[in-house]
Amino acid sequence: DGGITQSPKYLFRKEGQNVTLSCEQNLNHDAMYWYRQDPGQGLRLIYYSQIVNDFQKGDIAEGYSVSREKKESFPLTVTSAQKNPTAFYLCASSNSWQLNQPQHFGDGTRLSIL
Amino acid sequence: KNQVEQSPQSLIILEGKNCTLQCNYTVSPFSNLRWYKQDTGRGPVSLTIMTFSENTKSNGRYTATLDADTKQSSLHITASQLSDSASYICVVSPVTYGNNRLAFGKGNQVVVIP
Repeated sequence: DGGITQSPKYLFRKEGQNVTLSCEQNLNHDAMYWYRQDPGQGLRLIYYSQIVNDFQKGDIAEGYSVSREKKESFPLTVTSAQKNPTAFYLCASSNSWQLNQPQHFGDGTRLSIL
Repeated sequence: KNQVEQSPQSLIILEGKNCTLQCNYTVSPFSNLRWYKQDTGRGPVSLTIMTFSENTKSNGRYTATLDADTKQSSLHITASQLSDSASYICVVSPVTYGNNRLAFGKGNQVVVIP
């Protein structure tokens, strides 16, 4: 089955530590996205990528970094500069040329600080 | 100011009853409006997507309506089931940025009780 796989499902970060969240898709989608979801809040865009080797900052990119070396993969690194990393992180993908098609989401990674 | 407002924030309904969720938006111009269902601890799943020229779209027991003149959408759930307990998210896609700058509502939290 085609879909988006996020791992791990739960992740804990210590002070001063960088952690990387994995996102892999086999939908052959060009575009991939990272969102952050906090309780009672709408999803907020962290980074997005339209094509391999290119990515753009979203609304809350500070303290995060990404790479897009392969079409299928879009890992997110939460750096120590992100002072409030506790949240539910969602990865999504879509065909960038199909404007009226919904994004497909993974099942998220819940990040907590120790 | 949030561009997508959803009401009610939460509601409890008896199994078998109907309910209607509201979404008011200010995004303009927009290319489409989407409703997603998000189960607790999971990623959002697309229910319906309507372009600006469509008035209604159904997906099983879910029916979405759109009034582009008043900038309102609703999601009607018919004959609710326990599995309908979830958060329902209204998402608007602006013409200029498409999937790269979606406007997300905070969600309607629905609890179905037996």
